[in-house]
Amino acid sequence: GQNIDQPTEMTATEGAIVQINCTYQTSGFNGLFWYQQHAGEAPTFLSYNVLDGLEEKGRFSSFLSRSKGYSYLLLKELQMKDSASYLCAVSDSNYQLIWGAGTKLIIKP
Amino acid sequence: TAGITQAPTSQILAAGRSMTLRCTQDMRHNAMYWYRQDLGLGLRLIHYSNTAGTTGKGEVPDGYSVSRANTDDFPLTLASAVPSQTSVYFCASSEGEGVSEQFFGPGTRLTVL
Repeated sequence: GQNIDQPTEMTATEGAIVQINCTYQTSGFNGLFWYQQHAGEAPTFLSYNVLDGLEEKGRFSSFLSRSKGYSYLLLKELQMKDSASYLCAVSDSNYQLIWGAGTKLIIKP
Repeated sequence: TAGITQAPTSQILAAGRSMTLRCTQDMRHNAMYWYRQDLGLGLRLIHYSNTAGTTGKGEVPDGYSVSRANTDDFPLTLASAVPSQTSVYFCASSEGEGVSEQFFGPGTRLTVL
């Protein structure tokens, strides 16, 4: 079966760094997406990785290891507005997105 | 630019009634999707359309139907609603088949009693 695992909830302090992990087992792999979803709102795109390594985009970075079926999203200089759920999704062999349940990130002052 | 719009924003529906959730995009995207999002579960694909005139079944299609008469519109119909269809429904679109970023509408919160 296809499976995406990520922690249910994480807590971090404003100004700190947090790493949200995602492991996956899917039928085929055509890339991994990270989305941000604020409570009551739609998911919005953060990053896409298809090759191994780190992609940096401002305060957010995403890493991929295809051999390990593993990715992480790194958020630096945390701000209160970063409180949201972070969704990991893998594009499978049919180019359908398989979604994790999301990690709720709570930022404390 | 509106992007993707969905209607209604929320709805309470009696079990056994039918309902159509509307979705319209103005980005001229070829592919469109319907997901449901339930607490503790990831987004689950209900139906998709890779281009106007074609549709396909996703992971949880039972009880739902779709049509894609043109590029912009992708309505989702519940023929006879059941309480297990209580959920938040998101419509999304992307440029085409293959890997591309999906853009989401604001969602419809549906409660079936």
